[in-house]
Order: sequence, then C-alpha cells, then structure tokens
Amino acid sequence: EAGVTQFPSHSVIEKGQTVTLRCDPISGHDNLYWYRRVMGKEIKFLLHFVKESKQDESGMPNNRFLAERTGGTYSTLKVQPAELEDSGVYFCASSWDRATGELFFGEGSRLTVL
Amino acid sequence: RKEVEQDPGPFNVPEGATVAFNCTYSNSASQSFFWYRQDCRKEPKLLMSVYSSGNEDGRFTAQLNRASQYISLLIRDSKLSDSATYLCVVNGFNKFYFGSGTKLNVKP
Repeated sequence: EAGVTQFPSHSVIEKGQTVTLRCDPISGHDNLYWYRRVMGKEIKFLLHFVKESKQDESGMPNNRFLAERTGGTYSTLKVQPAELEDSGVYFCASSWDRATGELFFGEGSRLTVL
Repeated sequence: RKEVEQDPGPFNVPEGATVAFNCTYSNSASQSFFWYRQDCRKEPKLLMSVYSSGNEDGRFTAQLNRASQYISLLIRDSKLSDSATYLCVVNGFNKFYFGSGTKLNVKP
C-alpha cells in the first residue's frame, strides 16, 4: 500500500516567487495535516483537513499561505509570495482517526527561499 | 510556554547502555500520547503509543504520569541503530503537538 507522498522533495526559489507543494495521503485517510519544521525548531502545526473541509487552520502563519484539498483527496499548499522565513521542511501527514490515530508522514518537501 | 517540552540532548551513550528521555506537556486535557522517531533528513515515524498503565515493546518502555503531565521513554540495551531524534507527541483537542525532539547518539 502506498504511503503519504509529497512533491517536490526539494524546491529552491527566490524571495517573491510562488511555490506549490502537493501531498497525496494514504487512501481512505480522511484526516490530512500540514506541518512545518524550521531549522532548529520543533515541528509546528499548520492546518488540518477532514476530507475537503478545513477543520483547523490556526497554525497558518499568514495569508501568503493557501491550502486546498479539492474532492477530499490530495492537498496542495501554496506559498505566494515566498519570504526568506518560509524556508523549512513542510511535512504532510494523514490519519484515519484525528483523536487517537497514528500520524503517517510523507518524506517532506524541503523549501529553500533565497 | 510550549505545549510539549523535551530535553534536546544530544544524549551520547555507548552500545548496551540504558537511556531515558523525558517530556512534559502543558495541556491537562490532552488525550493521547506518542513517541515518534525521526532519522536524519527523514520523516517522523511512530515508535509507540503511550498508555496510562505504561507499555513495553521489546527494549522500549513508555510511561505516562497524568498528574505530573509527564511522559518518559526508556531504551534498554541501546543499539547503534537506535541513533535518531525521538519526538514526544501529544494530542489535545484533536490537534497533535510536537516536542522539539531529543537526539540520541549510540556509540560503538
């Protein structure tokens, strides 16, 4: 069975450009999460989808970040325009149970903003 | 105050040693607790869930103290392959909170 897949694995862009990250969760997992790890810091929550609905987006840093999950399948996270502080590793995770279930992570998308 | 706090380490131990990691959490209403393992430049993976009664999986023992809001992970007979960062994860209000991780280096 395929795990959580993320694309691209690494993206290098200049400040002011746009980047779109994609996540394909495990099939059947209604819960999809985006997290970010900035170097030297803990993994921080960005937002949570239940199917196609945004359950919680309290972790989104600002309105330069836009996440979608059309049809409740894959999700995209767009950063526009990117700033230097957006650099980090963006992890997507999915689970079948939002309260107690295991989080299955993708390998992450490393974003470098120059 | 952070939701989950861990000693960042690193813990440098010889093979065969016993090592313990601790973690505290701030939300007394937290519902579920986990230890994840993250290898360098890899994604976190579930090591074990932590139950109120304590639980063991081979060389790994996890304990939870709800009164003190404290979680621990004990690794016995450390192997070189145990070298990784161990993340304490707490679920409260359907949101998972991560500690910054404790780095373990097991030396030959």
